[in-house]
Amino acid sequence: KAGVTQTPRYLIKTRGQQVTLSCSPISGHRSVSWYQQTPGQGLQFLFEYFSETQRNKGNFPGRFSGRQFSNSRSEMNVSTLELGDSALYLCASSRDREGKRNSPLHFGNGTRLTVT
Amino acid sequence: DAKTTQPNSMESNEEEPVHLPCNHSTISGTDYIHWYRQLPSQGPEYVIHGLTSNVNNRMASLAIAEDRKSSTLILHRATLRDAAVYYCILLSSYSGAGSYQLTFGKGTKLSVIP
Repeated sequence: KAGVTQTPRYLIKTRGQQVTLSCSPISGHRSVSWYQQTPGQGLQFLFEYFSETQRNKGNFPGRFSGRQFSNSRSEMNVSTLELGDSALYLCASSRDREGKRNSPLHFGNGTRLTVT
Repeated sequence: DAKTTQPNSMESNEEEPVHLPCNHSTISGTDYIHWYRQLPSQGPEYVIHGLTSNVNNRMASLAIAEDRKSSTLILHRATLRDAAVYYCILLSSYSGAGSYQLTFGKGTKLSVIP
């Protein structure tokens, strides 16, 4: 079974630009969540999608958004990039059922975003 | 938010057992205790999870205190490949809107000495 796939692996953008990152979950997994990892703040939760609906959201500004498609693939978008957005962006999928969460998170290897 | 507290770092000799502690005094009755580890340049990897009873799998064992306010991840024989940052997190078993208050914290950096 293929793992969680994130593309691209590395990305360099300029301040003010926008970026879209992609995540393909493990087949059959309906929950996809996104995280930002920086040396200073550690791993921080961005948002979670389940069956194309954003189910939970962390404390990030509105510049960070996401969506999930009918095949459970997910994208996150960051608009008006700032230097502080430089980070490793991770996505994870799990086979949670509706209303119930008892499954491990399976992470991809992330997209390393550098904003110059 | 249910939060966890872990030591910043620990050291172990190769082939010795390792006990990684985690405190979660504000855990709620529906929170599962999950452990993940992260090697350099990789995403976190699932290790083990449990609710109330101790759990064993091929990677590790999880010992949960009777009051559930703390837990210990046990690696029975540390190898060099076990050197990683270990995260203890709480995940609510209820998945409705507003339930996902996932906080990873800084984790414990485990060094394994040959």
